[in-house]
Amino acid sequence: DGGITQSPKYLFRKEGQNVTLSCEQNLNHDAMYWYRQDPGQGLRLIYYSQIVNDFQKGDIAEGYSVSREKKESFPLTVTSAQKNPTAFYLCASTARGRGTDTQYFGPGTRLTVL
Amino acid sequence: DQQVKQNSPSLSVQEGRISILNCDYTNSMFDYFLWYKKYPAEGPTFLISISSIKDKNEDGRFTVFLNKSAKHLSLHIVPSQPGDSAVYFCAARSLGRGSTLGRLYFGRGTQLTVWP
Repeated sequence: DGGITQSPKYLFRKEGQNVTLSCEQNLNHDAMYWYRQDPGQGLRLIYYSQIVNDFQKGDIAEGYSVSREKKESFPLTVTSAQKNPTAFYLCASTARGRGTDTQYFGPGTRLTVL
Repeated sequence: DQQVKQNSPSLSVQEGRISILNCDYTNSMFDYFLWYKKYPAEGPTFLISISSIKDKNEDGRFTVFLNKSAKHLSLHIVPSQPGDSAVYFCAARSLGRGSTLGRLYFGRGTQLTVWP
């Protein structure tokens, strides 16, 4: 049963703490993406990765970091430098990251910073 | 700078009627367009797509129309059902070799409510 999993579904953290959001896919996709959704803002790209050990900043990368050590995994760390971390975070993947490949999304993680 | 715009944040339609969701884009390099449907606290799910070589693509109750000269696309849902109530996102990408591979640009979404 292939898909993208994100854990946890809900996450609470105190201000000033770093937190890492998990994203795993078993679709054998090369490209993976992290988006942030805020009310009325649509989906904004944080980071993306086309291949293992390579990743690129998206539109709102400040205060975030990622790694891509394995093809299946693309964890996102929300650092204390991120000024407004409370949001809904979505991970996505696509087969080759080009052409008409469809981008598939995970179920999301709701991060609340207290 | 929003390259994909959905100017209607919400749309309310009676069950059985047609729902028309609109999307405009500014980047003339975009040549592939997608619609996603999203329920609260869930990830978006792919609905339908269209390439710029076409002006219409149909899949069951869902049809997407593309007007390249106007840089406008629309999603038609006929007939609308209560289960269609969700946020619909329009997305676009460039297939060109120089583009950021796989990068999608999203609109802000339109909340569709279908009432009985």
